[in-house]
Amino acid sequence: DAGVTQSPTHLIKTRGQQVTLRCSPKSGHDTVSWYQQALGQGPQFIFQYYEEEERQRGNFPDRFSGHQFPNYSSELNVNALLLGDSALYLCASSLEGFSSPLHFGNGTRLTVT
Amino acid sequence: DAKTTQPNSMESNEEEPVHLPCNHSTISGTDYIHWYRQLPSQGPEYVIHGLTSNVNNRMASLAIAEDRKSSTLILHRATLRDAAVYYCILRVTGTASKLTFGTGTRLQVTL
Repeated sequence: DAGVTQSPTHLIKTRGQQVTLRCSPKSGHDTVSWYQQALGQGPQFIFQYYEEEERQRGNFPDRFSGHQFPNYSSELNVNALLLGDSALYLCASSLEGFSSPLHFGNGTRLTVT
Repeated sequence: DAKTTQPNSMESNEEEPVHLPCNHSTISGTDYIHWYRQLPSQGPEYVIHGLTSNVNNRMASLAIAEDRKSSTLILHRATLRDAAVYYCILRVTGTASKLTFGTGTRLQVTL
Protein backbone atom coordinates (compact mmCIF):
# COMPACT_ATOMS: atom_id res chain seq x y z
CA ASP A 1 0.00 0.00 0.00
CA ALA A 2 1.67 3.19 -1.20
CA GLY A 3 1.90 5.95 1.32
CA VAL A 4 1.99 9.65 0.56
CA THR A 5 4.15 10.41 -2.47
CA GLN A 6 5.55 13.80 -3.39
CA SER A 7 7.28 15.07 -6.48
CA PRO A 8 9.81 16.26 -7.23
CA THR A 9 12.11 15.37 -4.34
CA HIS A 10 14.43 18.32 -4.96
CA LEU A 11 14.01 21.56 -6.88
CA ILE A 12 16.12 24.65 -7.47
CA LYS A 13 14.45 27.89 -8.55
CA THR A 14 15.45 31.50 -8.98
CA ARG A 15 13.99 34.34 -6.99
CA GLY A 16 10.82 35.68 -8.63
CA GLN A 17 9.95 32.42 -10.36
CA GLN A 18 6.92 30.24 -9.73
CA VAL A 19 6.92 26.61 -8.58
CA THR A 20 4.39 23.76 -8.44
CA LEU A 21 4.78 20.84 -6.07
CA ARG A 22 2.69 17.68 -6.29
CA CYS A 23 1.28 15.22 -3.79
CA SER A 24 -0.57 11.91 -4.05
CA PRO A 25 -2.30 10.96 -0.82
CA LYS A 26 -2.28 7.58 0.84
CA SER A 27 -4.85 5.24 -0.67
CA GLY A 28 -8.27 5.83 0.85
CA HIS A 29 -7.47 9.27 2.21
CA ASP A 30 -9.56 12.26 1.14
CA THR A 31 -7.90 15.19 2.89
CA VAL A 32 -4.55 16.77 2.04
CA SER A 33 -2.63 19.39 3.96
CA TRP A 34 0.65 21.13 3.24
CA TYR A 35 3.41 22.15 5.61
CA GLN A 36 6.61 24.18 5.25
CA GLN A 37 9.66 23.15 7.28
CA ALA A 38 12.61 25.50 7.50
CA LEU A 39 15.97 24.07 8.50
CA GLY A 40 16.09 23.23 12.21
CA GLN A 41 12.43 24.10 12.76
CA GLY A 42 9.23 22.12 13.10
CA PRO A 43 6.79 22.04 10.19
CA GLN A 44 4.43 25.01 9.80
CA PHE A 45 0.87 24.50 8.53
CA ILE A 46 0.13 26.16 5.18
CA PHE A 47 -3.38 24.94 4.29
CA GLN A 48 -5.73 21.97 4.09
CA TYR A 49 -7.85 20.74 1.19
CA TYR A 50 -10.97 18.63 1.39
CA GLU A 51 -13.58 18.07 -1.33
CA GLU A 52 -11.45 20.19 -3.67
CA GLU A 53 -11.78 23.25 -1.46
CA GLU A 54 -9.36 25.03 0.86
CA ARG A 55 -10.80 24.45 4.33
CA GLN A 56 -8.18 25.92 6.63
CA ARG A 57 -5.22 28.19 6.12
CA GLY A 58 -2.20 29.01 8.20
CA ASN A 59 -0.35 32.31 8.35
CA PHE A 60 1.01 32.29 4.81
CA PRO A 61 0.62 34.99 2.12
CA ASP A 62 -1.55 34.65 -0.97
CA ARG A 63 1.55 33.77 -2.98
CA PHE A 64 0.93 30.29 -1.63
CA SER A 65 -2.03 28.61 -3.29
CA GLY A 66 -3.18 25.11 -3.87
CA HIS A 67 -5.53 22.79 -5.59
CA GLN A 68 -7.09 19.41 -4.96
CA PHE A 69 -8.21 17.20 -7.80
CA PRO A 70 -11.16 14.77 -7.93
CA ASN A 71 -8.76 11.86 -7.28
CA TYR A 72 -7.71 13.65 -4.05
CA SER A 73 -4.21 14.45 -5.27
CA SER A 74 -3.04 17.98 -4.65
CA GLU A 75 -0.70 20.71 -5.85
CA LEU A 76 0.99 23.51 -3.98
CA ASN A 77 1.86 26.60 -6.01
CA VAL A 78 4.16 29.35 -4.86
CA ASN A 79 4.45 32.54 -6.92
CA ALA A 80 7.11 35.25 -6.87
CA LEU A 81 9.58 33.09 -4.99
CA LEU A 82 11.66 34.68 -2.24
CA LEU A 83 14.91 33.42 -0.80
CA GLY A 84 13.01 32.78 2.43
CA ASP A 85 10.78 30.26 0.68
CA SER A 86 13.68 27.82 0.65
CA ALA A 87 12.48 24.93 2.80
CA LEU A 88 11.24 21.37 2.89
CA TYR A 89 7.60 21.23 1.78
CA LEU A 90 5.65 18.38 3.29
CA CYS A 91 2.33 16.97 2.20
CA ALA A 92 0.15 15.06 4.64
CA SER A 93 -3.00 13.08 4.00
CA SER A 94 -5.72 11.84 6.28
CA LEU A 95 -9.35 10.92 6.42
CA GLU A 96 -11.70 13.79 7.07
CA GLY A 97 -12.41 13.86 10.75
CA PHE A 98 -10.76 15.15 13.82
CA SER A 99 -9.17 11.99 15.19
CA SER A 100 -7.58 10.66 12.02
CA PRO A 101 -3.76 10.67 12.22
CA LEU A 102 -1.85 12.47 9.48
CA HIS A 103 0.41 10.52 7.15
CA PHE A 104 3.28 12.58 5.79
CA GLY A 105 5.32 12.23 2.63
CA ASN A 106 9.07 12.72 2.67
CA GLY A 107 8.77 16.18 1.20
CA THR A 108 10.13 18.32 -1.61
CA ARG A 109 13.32 20.22 -0.86
CA LEU A 110 12.99 23.66 -2.52
CA THR A 111 16.03 25.88 -2.86
CA VAL A 112 15.56 29.45 -4.07
CA THR A 113 18.69 31.22 -5.31
CA ASP B 1 -2.84 27.86 19.82
CA ALA B 2 -2.10 25.95 22.99
CA LYS B 3 1.64 25.44 23.35
CA THR B 4 3.80 22.57 24.47
CA THR B 5 7.24 22.62 26.08
CA GLN B 6 9.78 19.86 25.50
CA PRO B 7 13.48 19.47 26.26
CA ASN B 8 15.65 20.26 23.26
CA SER B 9 17.52 16.97 23.40
CA MET B 10 17.82 13.68 25.26
CA GLU B 11 20.13 10.72 25.12
CA SER B 12 19.46 7.05 25.72
CA ASN B 13 21.34 3.79 25.56
CA GLU B 14 20.10 1.15 23.18
CA GLU B 15 17.59 -1.31 24.64
CA GLU B 16 16.91 0.97 27.60
CA PRO B 17 13.50 2.61 28.17
CA VAL B 18 13.15 6.26 27.24
CA HIS B 19 10.75 8.73 28.82
CA LEU B 20 10.16 11.86 26.74
CA PRO B 21 8.37 14.58 28.73
CA CYS B 22 6.01 17.27 27.48
CA ASN B 23 4.40 20.12 29.37
CA HIS B 24 1.14 21.62 28.15
CA SER B 25 -0.19 23.67 31.04
CA THR B 26 -2.68 25.64 28.90
CA ILE B 27 -4.38 22.56 27.46
CA SER B 28 -8.15 22.81 27.14
CA GLY B 29 -10.60 20.06 27.93
CA THR B 30 -11.10 18.91 24.35
CA ASP B 31 -7.50 19.07 23.11
CA TYR B 32 -5.97 15.74 22.17
CA ILE B 33 -2.29 15.10 22.89
CA HIS B 34 -0.51 13.79 19.80
CA TRP B 35 3.05 12.62 19.33
CA TYR B 36 4.84 12.48 16.01
CA ARG B 37 8.45 11.75 15.27
CA GLN B 38 10.67 12.72 12.37
CA LEU B 39 13.56 10.52 11.38
CA PRO B 40 16.44 12.06 9.42
CA SER B 41 15.51 12.91 5.83
CA GLN B 42 11.90 11.79 6.28
CA GLY B 43 8.54 13.39 6.92
CA PRO B 44 6.95 13.23 10.37
CA GLU B 45 5.47 9.91 11.43
CA TYR B 46 2.47 9.48 13.72
CA VAL B 47 3.35 7.73 16.98
CA ILE B 48 0.40 7.86 19.35
CA HIS B 49 -2.34 10.09 20.72
CA GLY B 50 -4.65 10.30 23.73
CA LEU B 51 -7.13 12.47 25.55
CA THR B 52 -7.24 11.52 29.21
CA SER B 53 -6.34 7.89 29.71
CA ASN B 54 -2.96 6.28 29.19
CA VAL B 55 -2.60 4.68 25.76
CA ASN B 56 -0.47 1.87 24.36
CA ASN B 57 0.29 0.80 20.82
CA ARG B 58 2.97 -1.21 19.08
CA MET B 59 5.32 1.76 18.92
CA ALA B 60 5.05 3.38 22.34
CA SER B 61 3.00 4.21 25.40
CA LEU B 62 1.56 7.58 26.34
CA ALA B 63 1.17 8.47 30.00
CA ILE B 64 -1.06 11.49 30.66
CA ALA B 65 -1.04 13.29 33.99
CA GLU B 66 -4.30 13.38 35.89
CA ASP B 67 -4.59 17.17 35.45
CA ARG B 68 -3.59 16.76 31.75
CA LYS B 69 -0.99 19.51 32.06
CA SER B 70 1.81 17.16 31.15
CA SER B 71 2.39 13.86 29.39
CA THR B 72 5.21 11.42 28.77
CA LEU B 73 5.96 9.36 25.69
CA ILE B 74 7.53 6.06 26.67
CA LEU B 75 9.65 3.98 24.32
CA HIS B 76 10.03 0.69 26.12
CA ARG B 77 13.29 -0.43 24.50
CA ALA B 78 15.06 2.20 22.44
CA THR B 79 16.84 1.10 19.30
CA LEU B 80 19.16 3.01 16.99
CA ARG B 81 16.21 3.37 14.61
CA ASP B 82 14.35 5.40 17.24
CA ALA B 83 16.84 8.27 16.92
CA ALA B 84 14.64 11.12 15.71
CA VAL B 85 13.03 14.42 16.65
CA TYR B 86 9.91 13.79 18.74
CA TYR B 87 7.11 16.33 18.64
CA CYS B 88 4.41 16.67 21.26
CA ILE B 89 1.40 18.45 19.74
CA LEU B 90 -1.98 19.54 21.03
CA ARG B 91 -4.60 18.86 18.40
CA VAL B 92 -7.32 21.44 18.88
CA THR B 93 -10.94 20.48 18.31
CA GLY B 94 -12.18 21.73 14.97
CA THR B 95 -8.78 22.35 13.43
CA ALA B 96 -8.54 18.95 11.78
CA SER B 97 -5.29 18.83 9.81
CA LYS B 98 -3.69 21.85 11.43
CA LEU B 99 -0.94 20.58 13.68
CA THR B 100 1.17 23.19 15.47
CA PHE B 101 4.68 21.77 15.73
CA GLY B 102 7.25 23.15 18.13
CA THR B 103 10.94 22.37 17.85
CA GLY B 104 10.58 18.97 19.50
CA THR B 105 13.06 16.80 21.39
CA ARG B 106 16.00 15.36 19.51
CA LEU B 107 16.58 11.83 20.83
CA GLN B 108 20.02 10.31 20.45
CA VAL B 109 20.39 6.57 20.97
CA THR B 110 23.82 5.10 21.55
CA LEU B 111 25.17 1.57 21.74
